Amino acid sequence: GQQVMQIPQYQHVQEGEDFTTYCNSSTTLSNIQWYKQRPGGHPVFLIQLVKSGEVKKQKRLTFQFGEAKKNSSLHITATQTTDVGTYFCAGRPTGNQFYFGTGTSLTVIP
Amino acid sequence: NAGVTQTPKFQVLKTGQSMTLQCAQDMNHEYMSWYRQDPGMGLRLIHYSVGAGITDQGEVPNGYNVSRSTTEDFPLRLLSAAPSQTSVYFCASSSSRYEQYFGPGTRLTVT
Repeated sequence: GQQVMQIPQYQHVQEGEDFTTYCNSSTTLSNIQWYKQRPGGHPVFLIQLVKSGEVKKQKRLTFQFGEAKKNSSLHITATQTTDVGTYFCAGRPTGNQFYFGTGTSLTVIP
Repeated sequence: NAGVTQTPKFQVLKTGQSMTLQCAQDMNHEYMSWYRQDPGMGLRLIHYSVGAGITDQGEVPNGYNVSRSTTEDFPLRLLSAAPSQTSVYFCASSSSRYEQYFGPGTRLTVT
């Protein structure tokens, strides 16, 4: 069954507002990845987190990996219309399999 | 580099028919995977391979077969299509357990 849960499922924000999506795993993860999928497109890799408590930034995007390596978050500051899409986390407990979250669909209202 | 390519882009099958979804990558990646994406379910791993000649099952392997005879190719076979296999199928490749590169997807409808 699904081992990685992601909330919220949908988020509508006004352009310029912030956005956060959360990912929670029932088991400790070796690493976690984040992907973005535009409508009609394929997932595109954003980042990978490996260390407990790790924080990485990419321009307006901030990614965090929890201390217990069971949760992660993606925060976007001052959203733009180009941020529209579905954001997925993908966690790897052990071995070779990644388990994807159900995704958060972001709509940005101009 | 073409990256990860998938064919066909769209396919309609009747229940009970079989077919093969093709996936190829030109990045010399050892890891390749097949996912299916259904509304509200995210991406679920069907089968994966860690190198030529080595395959393993993912979360939802039933009704699908794979083989990996070369590093470049990783076809997915539907043995006897069922309406429950209507989905969008993505192939992905990666070097070690890092960034996965996804193909453009195959949209399959089984009637």
